[in-house]
Amino acid sequence: DVKVTQSSRYLVKRTGEKVFLECVQDMDHENMFWYRQDPGLGLRLIYFSYDVKMKEKGDIPEGYSVSREKKERFSLILESASTNQTSMYLCASSPNGGPLYGYTFGSGTRLTVV
Amino acid sequence: DAKTTQPPSMDCAEGRAANLPCNHSTISGNEYVYWYRQIHSQGPQYIIHGLKNNETNEMASLIITEDRKSSTLILPHATLRDTAVYYCIVRVRPNTDKLIFGTGTRLQVFP
Repeated sequence: DVKVTQSSRYLVKRTGEKVFLECVQDMDHENMFWYRQDPGLGLRLIYFSYDVKMKEKGDIPEGYSVSREKKERFSLILESASTNQTSMYLCASSPNGGPLYGYTFGSGTRLTVV
Repeated sequence: DAKTTQPPSMDCAEGRAANLPCNHSTISGNEYVYWYRQIHSQGPQYIIHGLKNNETNEMASLIITEDRKSSTLILPHATLRDTAVYYCIVRVRPNTDKLIFGTGTRLQVFP
């Protein structure tokens, strides 16, 4: 079964810590995405990548960075965690070309910054 | 990408058809209609997509009006496990494949 795997389901970090959220997909997809989801605001796109070492800002990139050194792995980095980054973080991947397939999402990481 | 309008919530009896509407009156000719759903505490799940013809798969049917200004997702025999938030999204498919989610329709299936 094809999968997008996020390294942690729940995470608690302190304000000011550097936080890494990891995402791995086994489908050889070119495109990978990071969203955050908050009550009343829905899913908002933080960053996406359409190739190794490539990245594009989404709608809310402030306070975040990303890394994509290998095709299957896309990391979201909170350089200095703040309480307003407490949220559910969702990773997704999708293929290029051919028929239009949907995204495959991971199960999410619920991050709490205290 | 075009905007969509969905009712915030709907109810459906188990075993009955659930018909979820979506308005996308500003859709362009090259924009597709996608449907996803999100069951509580899980990541969104792709359901179906279409351009201008009606589509059906093992999960649902998608009916797009002739003028493409609206569509309806049909779950033919809703079950309790179909309780979820359903998102209707319209978009062109550039190389980057970016999807922008709205706030969706919360479907509650009751026994």
